[in-house]
Amino acid sequence: GDSVTQMEGPVTLSEEAFLTINCTYTATGYPSLFWYVQYPGEGLQLLLKATKADDKGSNKGFEATYRKETTSFHLEKGSVQVSDSAVYFCALIDGGYQKVTFGIGTKLQVIP
Amino acid sequence: DAGVIQSPRHEVTEMGQEVTLRCKPISGHNSLFWYRQTMMRGLELLIYFNNNVPIDDSGMPEDRFSAKMPNASFSTLKIQPSEPRDSAVYFCASSYFGTGRDEQYFGPGTRLTVT
Repeated sequence: GDSVTQMEGPVTLSEEAFLTINCTYTATGYPSLFWYVQYPGEGLQLLLKATKADDKGSNKGFEATYRKETTSFHLEKGSVQVSDSAVYFCALIDGGYQKVTFGIGTKLQVIP
Repeated sequence: DAGVIQSPRHEVTEMGQEVTLRCKPISGHNSLFWYRQTMMRGLELLIYFNNNVPIDDSGMPEDRFSAKMPNASFSTLKIQPSEPRDSAVYFCASSYFGTGRDEQYFGPGTRLTVT
């Protein structure tokens, strides 16, 4: 079956540091890939997405590139801010199915 | 757009009581999902509907849980009787399946505490 593997965290960074959160996936079809973010006390929000190989999703300074050869979708940001502190979920939707397979979430804490 | 609306935002109840959680999806969306989030188990899909029809309820923990979607703008998740281990945050999400824009939009969640 489909699965998403991401680093468990927590990840603690100083403000303006470079962020990478790794995500790899297993899917039987040709999935769409997503990163969702959950701020404290809120529901998940879509951060970015990519629907085909070599697509780059980007939003709010975050980027992730769909790498089919390595089955990866790593999240990166060049300079994190305290306001980026949240839990980040990698996810996929495979083929014609609507079910989203989520990773376990990676908690990011950015300190001033 | 108002987004996905859930009520109540917080619910505290005693073991054995019936609990009903409510969700209004985004207008025009044709799919609705109920999730449960806990520290121990993370985010779990309980059930999802497409065009008001339950498609997959394999995540529903047991017969104490039931979900309905009587129309395109309303869904309920009911727990009867409730138990302390049901304490969690319950999220509703909706999406428009079939257009390629299949990302899900989550509500703010209902924090359930069963004492």
